[in-house]
Amino acid sequence: GAGVSQSPRYKVAKRGQDVALRCDPISGHVSLFWYQQALGQGPEFLTYFQNEAQLDKSGLPSDRFFAERPEGSVSTLKIQRTQQEDSAVYLCASSHTGGGEKLFFGSGTQLSVL
Amino acid sequence: AQKVTQAQTEISVVEKEDVTLDCVYETRDTTYYLFWYKQPPSGELVFLIRRNSFDEQNEISGRYSWNFQKSTSSFNFTITASQVVDSAVYFCALSPVDDYKLSFGAGTTVTVRA
Repeated sequence: GAGVSQSPRYKVAKRGQDVALRCDPISGHVSLFWYQQALGQGPEFLTYFQNEAQLDKSGLPSDRFFAERPEGSVSTLKIQRTQQEDSAVYLCASSHTGGGEKLFFGSGTQLSVL
Repeated sequence: AQKVTQAQTEISVVEKEDVTLDCVYETRDTTYYLFWYKQPPSGELVFLIRRNSFDEQNEISGRYSWNFQKSTSSFNFTITASQVVDSAVYFCALSPVDDYKLSFGAGTTVTVRA
C-alpha cells in the first residue's frame, strides 16, 4: 500500500482481555516504531525495530506489553491482561532508514478498555 | 533528557488570519533535530518540517514558515492566511541527532473558522 496501515481502527476490550494490534509499514522501510498517544497528549515512544530486530523497548510501560516484527515487515503490538490505563491511541510509524528521518505514521488504533 | 513545551493548548482564528504556534524545547545535546507534525482528524501524523540544530536559517514553504532561535530554544511555526483545511493538532518534536526517539510536545489544536 501507499502508506502505513494499522488495524483494527478501533478496539474495545474488557479489562483483563488480551489484544493484538497490527501495523503494516511502507514497503521497504527498515525502521518501525510504536508510539502511545493518550487523550490530549503528544505521542510517547514505546519501541523501535530495525528490520526484525527490536533494538529498543525502553518505552513499553510494563511486561504486559510485547511487540514483534518476525519477518521485518508487519509488526504486532500485543497487550496482555489489559487495564483501563492502557486506553489510548497506538500509533505505528515507519521510515526508510532510521534516526532523524521523517516518520510516516498510520492512522492509529484507538483502544478502549472497559 | 529532552522536553518540548507547547504552551498554547488551543487557538481559534477566522479564515485568512495568521496564526503562530509556539514551541520551546530543552535538551543537553549539542546537535539535535526539531520537527513539526500535523495531526488532522483522520489521526495520522503528517510530517511538515525537520530542522537541524546547526542550521538557524528560517524557512518558508508556501503559507508555512518556521522561526528557529537557538538562543531562546524556540522553534515557532506560523501559518499565513489560514484556511479551514489547516484545522488540526500540531505537534513540535525533538530528537538527538544520533537517536531515533522523538520527544513530542502536548500539541496545539488549531481551529480555523470560515
